Amino acid sequence: AQSVTQLGSHVSVSEGALVLLRCNYSSSVPPYLFWYVQYPNQGLQLLLKYTTGATLVKGINGFEAEFKKSETSFHLTKPSAHMSDAAEYFCAVTSPNDYKLSFGAGTTVTVRA
Amino acid sequence: DAGVIQSPRHEVTEMGQEVTLRCKPISGHDYLFWYRQTMMRGLELLIYFNNNVPIDDSGMPEDRFSAKMPNASFSTLKIQPSEPRDSAVYFCASSLDRNRPEAFFGQGTRLTVV
Repeated sequence: AQSVTQLGSHVSVSEGALVLLRCNYSSSVPPYLFWYVQYPNQGLQLLLKYTTGATLVKGINGFEAEFKKSETSFHLTKPSAHMSDAAEYFCAVTSPNDYKLSFGAGTTVTVRA
Repeated sequence: DAGVIQSPRHEVTEMGQEVTLRCKPISGHDYLFWYRQTMMRGLELLIYFNNNVPIDDSGMPEDRFSAKMPNASFSTLKIQPSEPRDSAVYFCASSLDRNRPEAFFGQGTRLTVV
């Protein structure tokens, strides 16, 4: 079974500052990893994914994440926060043999002007 | 494509009543998932289907919950009888196939049982 742990339930950043959201996974097989964003009263929107290949993956809205097998991590970053980045972010994991997406508890991002 | 479509967006019902949530997945997607989101438990997978067949329903909380997928373009999640602790946001999601496992979510149904 796979699982993810998101470190920090709430992150506050200044507009223009680096956004760093941490995700560590547990999986006995090579994982598929995802980041989703959820705006208030909305569904989850895919930001980016890692399945195979390049370990640095770029997503929408200027976000990127790096898969580090040695650290079992898949941290999400954005160089410069924008007010519109205020939302809840979820890391998720699955594997080629199991299509159950397991989600982390989520990290709420607030952006200060 | 219009994405995953769920109805209704909001549902308020009295305890003991039957509730049916509906979902239309993205056309051509092989997998369909039902999730529940609450503050206490986060996002929980209830059940998922592959090519209309239920594969894993281990997340269904109890026998009051049932899900069906009579064809590739429609699925329902039914709660009978409903209880206040079922109040949550229920999401339907679909994904294309094994090679494209990312799930696309609907807008959700906010269920309130009073």
